[in-house]
Amino acid sequence: LAKTTQPISMDSYEGQEVNITCSHNNIATNDYITWYQQFPSQGPRFIIQGYKTKVTNEVASLFIPADRKSSTLSLPRVSLSDTAVYYCLVGNSGGGADGLTFGKGTHLIIQP
Amino acid sequence: NAGVMQNPRHLVRRRGQEARLRCSPMKGHSHVYWYRQLPEEGLKFMVYLQKENIIDESGMPKERFSAEFPKEGPSILRIQQVVRGDSAAYFCASSPQGALVWNEQFFGPGTRLTVL
Repeated sequence: LAKTTQPISMDSYEGQEVNITCSHNNIATNDYITWYQQFPSQGPRFIIQGYKTKVTNEVASLFIPADRKSSTLSLPRVSLSDTAVYYCLVGNSGGGADGLTFGKGTHLIIQP
Repeated sequence: NAGVMQNPRHLVRRRGQEARLRCSPMKGHSHVYWYRQLPEEGLKFMVYLQKENIIDESGMPKERFSAEFPKEGPSILRIQQVVRGDSAAYFCASSPQGALVWNEQFFGPGTRLTVL
């Protein structure tokens, strides 16, 4: 049973806010939610991590509802350079390598 | 502070040869992770190592693949008797502590292995 489910692809335009939602219905009590970004021919880059409610940093915001069965990565005012694959991961210290499954991610394409 | 270094960036091998992929973690990081990525696929965890120890190798194929992280020097992912199906991008990541996904991992640029 997959730990996370994300849309395969999304399109948006420069200057828009983009929200990518990840479903994790079987999230455990001590699981954290982490998002990575990957550009072609590069390794993934950490974006943001959270446990509950809302987390914000200089790059993105992460919204986690009370039941924690989903999370939404929000990218404000995207630019062409935000075109990348975005991965949602769920896991914890005792969960072993299950939490390191990146899945196929969401291909975000930003157009002018 | 240099990031995670991987070499070579590109490696071409013929079927049956050995491939050795190297990973130097970020300074101060003692935990290394190896992943494999096939074209159009996500990253698949292979192995997690700490200095001189394999912590989790649940993603490693049982045969032909091995990994080490010696006290001195880089981490090595070795693939013996390569086959065409081993062609992929291999990424290494490091972290300062041993926690898995809840801890930020810093990824290298990857090694692209092509098996002819």
